[in-house]
Amino acid sequence: DSGVTQTPKHLITATGQRVTLRCSPRSGDLSVYWYQQSLDQGLQFLIQYYNGEERAKGNILERFSAQQFPDLHSELNLSSLELGDSALYFCASSVGDRANYGYTFGSGTRLTVV
Amino acid sequence: QQQVKQSPQSLIVQKGGISIINCAYENTAFDYFPWYQQFPGKGPALLIAIRPDVSEKKEGRFTISFNKSAKQFSLHIMDSQPGDSATYFCAASNDSSNTGKLIFGQGTTLQVKP
Repeated sequence: DSGVTQTPKHLITATGQRVTLRCSPRSGDLSVYWYQQSLDQGLQFLIQYYNGEERAKGNILERFSAQQFPDLHSELNLSSLELGDSALYFCASSVGDRANYGYTFGSGTRLTVV
Repeated sequence: QQQVKQSPQSLIVQKGGISIINCAYENTAFDYFPWYQQFPGKGPALLIAIRPDVSEKKEGRFTISFNKSAKQFSLHIMDSQPGDSATYFCAASNDSSNTGKLIFGQGTTLQVKP
């Protein structure tokens, strides 16, 4: 157990639907990162939050949004789902706001859009 | 400019052999270069990292070699073991950008044969 908890582990939903992925960071970590992992795109950075504030944004689609709550857990909302959104979504956390603090990844949420 | 190119895509090594994975980058602002190891069904885990002011870093059987002028870095796994069979990702970040965003390579699937 890495200390980063992601729920649910698996999610199957239909096109056009909306889902919410949840991440609880490791105790003491202030940064939360979201990555999308697909077979053809590798690990793609979506967004970083640090202590409740958005710190960096990657090529995140407008249909996707995220937030970090006062208790530091984070949610990634995916709407108007398309088949191409099927992927593994990873959350990672770190104590600081830079990559050199080292990420701890969760086990991921596997999203299947049918 | 933001890409990190990783090769080979897959690698098969005999037990006891040396595994070598290479990465190249374009953005000279990158100043932190980690390697992550991912086992099936798990999130990536930080293996070893290097900064450009160091040409080599060794931790146990794992060594990063860094060539700043060529903008290349590589992971060497000495005395490779079947337990090292996993997917390896190189990555890069610009820590002075005030974000923790990591750009990942496409990954290398390593199989160590007994």
